[in-house]
Amino acid sequence: AQRVTQPEKLLSVFKGAPVELKCNYSYSGSPELFWYVQYSRQRLQLLLRHISRESIKGFTADLNKGETSFHLKKPFAQEEDSAMYYCALDSGGSNYKLTFGKGTLLTVNP
Amino acid sequence: ETGVTQSPTHLIKTRGQQVTLRCSSQSGHNTVSWYQQALGQGPQFIFQYYREEENGRGNFPPRFSGLQFPNYSSELNVNALELDDSALYLCASSLLQNNEQFFGPGTRLTVL
Repeated sequence: AQRVTQPEKLLSVFKGAPVELKCNYSYSGSPELFWYVQYSRQRLQLLLRHISRESIKGFTADLNKGETSFHLKKPFAQEEDSAMYYCALDSGGSNYKLTFGKGTLLTVNP
Repeated sequence: ETGVTQSPTHLIKTRGQQVTLRCSSQSGHNTVSWYQQALGQGPQFIFQYYREEENGRGNFPPRFSGLQFPNYSSELNVNALELDDSALYLCASSLLQNNEQFFGPGTRLTVL
């Protein structure tokens, strides 16, 4: 069975500091990995997915199959990055079921 | 383009009752997935519907059931409510061939 682990429940950084939100997964096949974000009083929305290899809002994430990790990084955090971040895995197949981690609440202090 | 909508926003039920939650998918999407999000947890997959048929199910008992209608809207039904069913229920729509899911705002269910 697949599992997604986000080891940090809370992460607090200062504006301008680098930020890294950790995500580890367990799955024997070739999963697709996502980061979803939920800003205060907004709905859950896709931030980025590993297959697109895009940088969204300055965030990047690299899939490391050897370490089974998909950490989210941003070199200079902004106050508007404060939100709940969820890492999610899609195991593929005909039903696109997402397995989510428990989330990391990121607070960027001024 | 209309986003995913859910109703009601929140509701309160008592143990043993039944509840129906509703979801309208985003325009053009043919697939609806339902998730349960307990407090402090990430969303947990309940099931997915495509072309009015269940297309995958998570680890939830049969008292969780669903429907999808020809216009791709969907319902989640929960029978014999238990206290642990108290959670935020999220609906997400997508195209089956593209696994980018668009989430609704959720329905907060409280079971007393």
